[in-house]
Amino acid sequence: DSGVTQTPKHLITATGQRVTLRCSPRSGDLSVYWYQQSLDQGLQFLIQYYNGEERAKGNILERFSAQQFPDLHSELNLSSLELGDSALYFCASTREGGTGELFFGEGSRLTVL
Amino acid sequence: AQKITQTQPGMFVQEKEAVTLDCTYDTSDQSYGLFWYKQPSSGEMIFLIYQGSYDEQNATEGRYSLNFQKARKSANLVISASQLGDSAMYFCAMREPSTGNQFYFGTGTSLTVIP
Repeated sequence: DSGVTQTPKHLITATGQRVTLRCSPRSGDLSVYWYQQSLDQGLQFLIQYYNGEERAKGNILERFSAQQFPDLHSELNLSSLELGDSALYFCASTREGGTGELFFGEGSRLTVL
Repeated sequence: AQKITQTQPGMFVQEKEAVTLDCTYDTSDQSYGLFWYKQPSSGEMIFLIYQGSYDEQNATEGRYSLNFQKARKSANLVISASQLGDSAMYFCAMREPSTGNQFYFGTGTSLTVIP
C-alpha cells in the first residue's frame, strides 16, 4: 500500500460526459502529480501541484482541468469525453525531500464508450 | 531530445537467471535522482530502487541493483535470480530539479520470465 488513495478505481461512461477523479496523497506529501497511461503506452505527464498551487503542466488537454485543495487532496476533471480518453489515470505524491520518489495510487481506469 | 531512453521494448529471461534492463538519461543538472518502477499486469506502479546523482555506490534493494555509470549517463537495472513474479513492465525515471522536480519516464521494458 503506497498510501496514495485514488477513487474511483473503475469508471465507465459515454462520450461527451464529464467525470471527476479524486486523489488523496500520502500523509505529509505536498506534491501531487497526475499521469495518463493509455493502453500499452508509457506514462504521459498531465499536471503537477505543490501545496495547492499549480507547478507544472504537461500534455494536458484543454478539456481537462485539475486542482489541489487546502487539505492537499486533488481532483482531475475530464469533460467532453472522447473514446481516446480511455486510459488509466494515475495520481502520485512525493515529499520532495530525501530520495523524493513518487508514490503512486492504484489508478483510476476510465473507459469511454 | 528524450530525457529517458529505454531501448528494449521487450526482454525474456530464464527463471533464476539475472537480467539487465537498460536506461540512459539526459540532463544538464548536477543533482538529480534516478528511479525504477515496476508495473505488473494488475496495473499498479511499484517503486523499486533509487540512485542519487552524487551517490558513489550503486544502489541495491534485495534482488534489484542499479548499475550507475554517470559519465555514460546510464542507470541500468539488474534483477538477479529472476522469478516468475518479476514478469512486468519496468520504467526508468529521472527527477530533475531544474525543471521544478519534474519526473521523466521512459517508454518501459516488458520483461517476461520463462520457467
